[in-house]
Amino acid sequence: AQTVTQSQPEMSVQEAETVTLSCTYDTSESDYYLFWYKQPPSRQMILVIRQEAYKQQNATENRFSVNFQKAAKSFSLKISDSQLGDAAMYFCAYRTSGGGADGLTFGKGTHLIIQP
Amino acid sequence: DTGVSQDPRHKITKRGQNVTFRCDPISEHNRLYWYRQTLGQGPEFLTYFQNEAQLEKSRLLSDRFSAERPKGSFSTLEIQRTEQGDSAMYLCASSADGGLGNQPQHFGDGTRLSIL
Repeated sequence: AQTVTQSQPEMSVQEAETVTLSCTYDTSESDYYLFWYKQPPSRQMILVIRQEAYKQQNATENRFSVNFQKAAKSFSLKISDSQLGDAAMYFCAYRTSGGGADGLTFGKGTHLIIQP
Repeated sequence: DTGVSQDPRHKITKRGQNVTFRCDPISEHNRLYWYRQTLGQGPEFLTYFQNEAQLEKSRLLSDRFSAERPKGSFSTLEIQRTEQGDSAMYLCASSADGGLGNQPQHFGDGTRLSIL
């Protein structure tokens, strides 16, 4: 079974600065997908960014980018120019590829605090 | 795109009662997922449907949990003989997935269940 570990229960960053959230995972599969989701307080989970394991190029979405290290099974999220609206729980998630794909496996999350 | 809709938003019930939650996915999405999220944890995958077929149900927490998607549109999750440990947020998600597992899941706001 796959597992996802987020070792930082909470992170704090000054507004406009850069922060990196860590995620490691364990799998025996070679093809899979990785995701970062954001869950603001009392609001729905929103997809931030996704990465296909077969792609070497790191995904980017505006101020959000990932550092995907397949051999190390590491998938960190970098948020540049942090904004107050970035404050939320951030979850790293794994999903197998192909016909066996079912639900996402999530980490426990990192609570991101933005200091004004 | 009206998003994933879940009803009710909150449910308070006494231990031993049965409860049913409803999820309406995004209209063109063929896959529908149920997750449970307890306080301080990431969502935990329970079950999913592709159209009306329930393709994975071994992750349902006990035989008190069941889900249906009779016409391949909305879905219901039922918990029979509720217990204190069932108190959690129940999340529904949907995706337009052709089977590769690469399409993002869109989440609803969730139903928060409180057992008295």
